[in-house]
Amino acid sequence: DIQMTQSPSSLSASVGDRVTITCRASQSITNYLNWYQQKPGKAPKLLIYDVSSLESGVPSRFSGTGSGTDFTLTISSLQPEDFATYFCQQSYSNPGFGQGTKLEIK
Amino acid sequence: QVQLQESGPGLVKPSETLSLTCSVSGSSMSNYYWTWFRQPAGKGLEWIGRVYNSGLTNYNPSLKSRVTVSVDTSKNQFFLKLNSVTAADTAVYYCARGRVRGTSLHFDSWGQGTLVTVSS
Repeated sequence: DIQMTQSPSSLSASVGDRVTITCRASQSITNYLNWYQQKPGKAPKLLIYDVSSLESGVPSRFSGTGSGTDFTLTISSLQPEDFATYFCQQSYSNPGFGQGTKLEIK
Repeated sequence: QVQLQESGPGLVKPSETLSLTCSVSGSSMSNYYWTWFRQPAGKGLEWIGRVYNSGLTNYNPSLKSRVTVSVDTSKNQFFLKLNSVTAADTAVYYCARGRVRGTSLHFDSWGQGTLVTVSS
């Protein structure tokens, strides 16, 4: 199994901050990496697929980079609606997720 | 607008079978991977299994002996059966639409989730 490890597990930030979340795979997954946002009591929402492609309707303040084993999700200027939990997901093998990064208001 | 909606019992007794239906609207059933996930309270997401519109299936190896995912394209529905449940199967269960646009398989539409509790 490919293990996905996110860091940090939680993060406190303020509106307007630039935030970066990291996801590391236990082996190379080339560019088979996607990012989701989940709010309490809601289903996950696809933000970015194939490392850096922005899903339709997702604000451009979200961006993704990386390749191989190391990937990042960046939010360029946090908005109040961005406080949520973020998951990375690989599909190089059977789908697997990181443990999540909870983004909280400072 | 694509919509998915899970339905089924919210309470299942230990050793019995969990059965859920996902009803799909606003989407063709063709060329997508219809997928089930679950999420125990306060924990991460676990992939359970998927069915392609052709009926081809893939399952999480840790659940494979107990899981069946199937599809009825004529009704725009797909299904989950999980046998011999225990308390460890208590979770919110999500259905989702998987697509491949570019390289990776990713999930662009999700149901709202349904809580299934395993208890006597």
